[in-house]
Amino acid sequence: VTLLEQNPRWRLVPRGQAVNLRCILKNSQYPWMSWYQQDLQKQLQWLFTLRSPGDKEVKSLPGADYLATRVTDTELRLQVANMSQGRTLYCTCSAIPGQGHTEVFFGKGTRLTVV
Amino acid sequence: GDSVTQKQGQVTLSEDDFLFINCTYSTTTYPTLLWYVQYLGQGPQLLLKVTTANNKGISRGFEATYDKGTTSFHLQKASVQESDSAVYFCALVGGYQNFYFGKGTSLTVIP
Repeated sequence: VTLLEQNPRWRLVPRGQAVNLRCILKNSQYPWMSWYQQDLQKQLQWLFTLRSPGDKEVKSLPGADYLATRVTDTELRLQVANMSQGRTLYCTCSAIPGQGHTEVFFGKGTRLTVV
Repeated sequence: GDSVTQKQGQVTLSEDDFLFINCTYSTTTYPTLLWYVQYLGQGPQLLLKVTTANNKGISRGFEATYDKGTTSFHLQKASVQESDSAVYFCALVGGYQNFYFGKGTSLTVIP
């Protein structure tokens, strides 16, 4: 059963251009939605957890700037800007602590390549 | 603070070899420790979860345990197959339900 729908699956990003990613939650049992990045060396890093519609956060990391928005109960967005190195962004979902399995479920990921 | 360390970056084995991957953790809360597996082109997926020290988690031929005394946890499999080739991540669920992932161990099994 697919819990998360992530698109696009991959994107070529011209240097200096921003890209917008979208993630749709398919199962309300796991309402905490997050973004993780995975670099070219496969290292996974948590970026954000946005719990409620209207939540918005920004973060700058080596190689990219991020703006994450929880649009609705089922939609999470991520804008990636100033990307200098390729990476894969994963949308994840998890249960509210104490209300379900202690586990984070990953989407299929969006692979970004700088051109 | 909460953290997890996974030092083995790459492991190459032959089919039917024994697999052992080790991680250490640090946390001030009661730990929940997990192992994720990532096959080529896919997102990570949960392989095993261990919530009680010295108890085994078992799935798909893999076993996981953790040792509270040495704050270490490990993943093992008695006889690996080519289809086990993947990246394996250890993870700690720390305070505020934040997940901390190790750097990953890339396993290649040669037929």
